[in-house]
Amino acid sequence: DQQVKQNSPSLSVQEGRISILNCDYTNSMFDYFLWYKKYPAEGPTFLISISSIKDKNEDGRFTVFLNKSAKHLSLHIVPSQPGDSAVYFCAAKEGGYGNKLVFGAGTILRVKS
Amino acid sequence: GAGVSQSPSNKVTEKGKDVELRCDPISGHTALYWYRQSLGQGLEFLIYFQGNSAPDKSGLPSDRFSAERTGGSVSTLTIQRTQQEDSAVYLCASSPNTGGVREKLFFGSGTQLSVL
Repeated sequence: DQQVKQNSPSLSVQEGRISILNCDYTNSMFDYFLWYKKYPAEGPTFLISISSIKDKNEDGRFTVFLNKSAKHLSLHIVPSQPGDSAVYFCAAKEGGYGNKLVFGAGTILRVKS
Repeated sequence: GAGVSQSPSNKVTEKGKDVELRCDPISGHTALYWYRQSLGQGLEFLIYFQGNSAPDKSGLPSDRFSAERTGGSVSTLTIQRTQQEDSAVYLCASSPNTGGVREKLFFGSGTQLSVL
């Protein structure tokens, strides 16, 4: 039973355009959401996060939107750059002690120059 | 070291053999996690260590899997009698856990385990 779903296994975008990566979740107890980025042969690195009390968080070219009623979040990258080409994982956490994250399967983003 | 270190980076073993995977967290980080990523799947939580507390083993898939953390630092994940379905990338992560429940996890590069 996948609690965090990334339904698009891959996405291809032209350099300079917007990349939109989507994520859906089923557990209403999740109160914190994160995006991690992973390059080949490296571990995932933290990108951006959002608390359930917010609906938007922005950090430079990266913005995460949260729609709690739809149990949906998205990551927007504007403008996309070739160096953004990587696997992006959506992750979620229930309230409480510890940082046990539930991850989606990831979306491969390819930014074409 | 500057980051989370895992060894070996690659491990090929025969079905039925035992393997040990090592994780050296960032110095001073009190929380340590093991995840694995099977082909085409997301990161699957395995086990979580926090200081001297009893570890959260809720993600271990079977009793063939065990992990320990010695001296609150280095951790070893042991898989006994490996099976082909154990083939995956095993990722270790640590966090400072200074009291905030929303700290970032810092991941190592992982160990690619292949069971033939």
